[in-house]
Amino acid sequence: KNEVEQSPQNLTAQEGEFITINCSYSVGISALHWLQQHPGGGIVSLFMLSSGKKKHGRLIATINIQEKHSSLHITASHPRDSAVYICAASSLQGAQKLVFGQGTRLTINP
Amino acid sequence: DAGITQSPRHKVTETGTPVTLRCHQTENHRYMYWYRQDPGHGLRLIHYSYGVKDTDKGEVSDGYSVSRSKTEDFLLTLESATSSQTSVYFCAIGLAEGTGELFFGEGSRLTVL
Repeated sequence: KNEVEQSPQNLTAQEGEFITINCSYSVGISALHWLQQHPGGGIVSLFMLSSGKKKHGRLIATINIQEKHSSLHITASHPRDSAVYICAASSLQGAQKLVFGQGTRLTINP
Repeated sequence: DAGITQSPRHKVTETGTPVTLRCHQTENHRYMYWYRQDPGHGLRLIHYSYGVKDTDKGEVSDGYSVSRSKTEDFLLTLESATSSQTSVYFCAIGLAEGTGELFFGEGSRLTVL
C-alpha cells in the first residue's frame, strides 16, 4: 500500500462542474502539497498546507490532520483545468522528503 | 515564477554513455532536489542538496551522482546510462526544510537507447 493514495485516478467532467480530488496518507507529515502538471509541462505548486483550508481563485484545498486526509476542490471547472493533480506529503523526517501520490488525471470537457 | 531552469530539456543517448543534467536557480534557495517521473511510479527522489557540497541520497539513487559546487547549480550525472534511466527528470528548489514550498523546473526528458 502506498503511503500517499489519491482518488480517483482519472476523472472526466463537464465544464462548470464542481470537482473533488482526494488524498489519504499514512505517514506523519509536516505539510501536504498539491501540485498541478499540464500535459507535457512542468509541475506547479498549488498549495502547501498543514492545517485547515486554503483558497486561491477557484481552487480550495482542505486538510484533516486527525483523519490524515486532504481534498482539492475546483469550483466552476473549465477545460483549462485539465491536468494531472498530484498530492505530496512532506515527511516529518525532514529535508522535504516528499512522498508523492500517483496523481489524478482530470479532463474537463467543454 | 521561480527562476529555475533545466538543461538540456531533451536528450537522446546510447547505453553506456555519460550524461549530465544541469539545474540552475536564481532564487538563492538552500535546498535543491532531483526527481524522476515514470508512468506508474509518480515522482521519486534521486538525490537532494541542503547546501553547497552537502548532498544526500534519495530513494532511487543507484546509478546517479550529484554535485553542488555553488548555490545556484545542482548537477545530476549518470556515469554510464542504462535504458532503465529513460525518464523525465525534474529539478526542484526549496527555501525551508520540512514545510517550505517547492518550485519545480520544466523537466528534462532523457531517452537511453
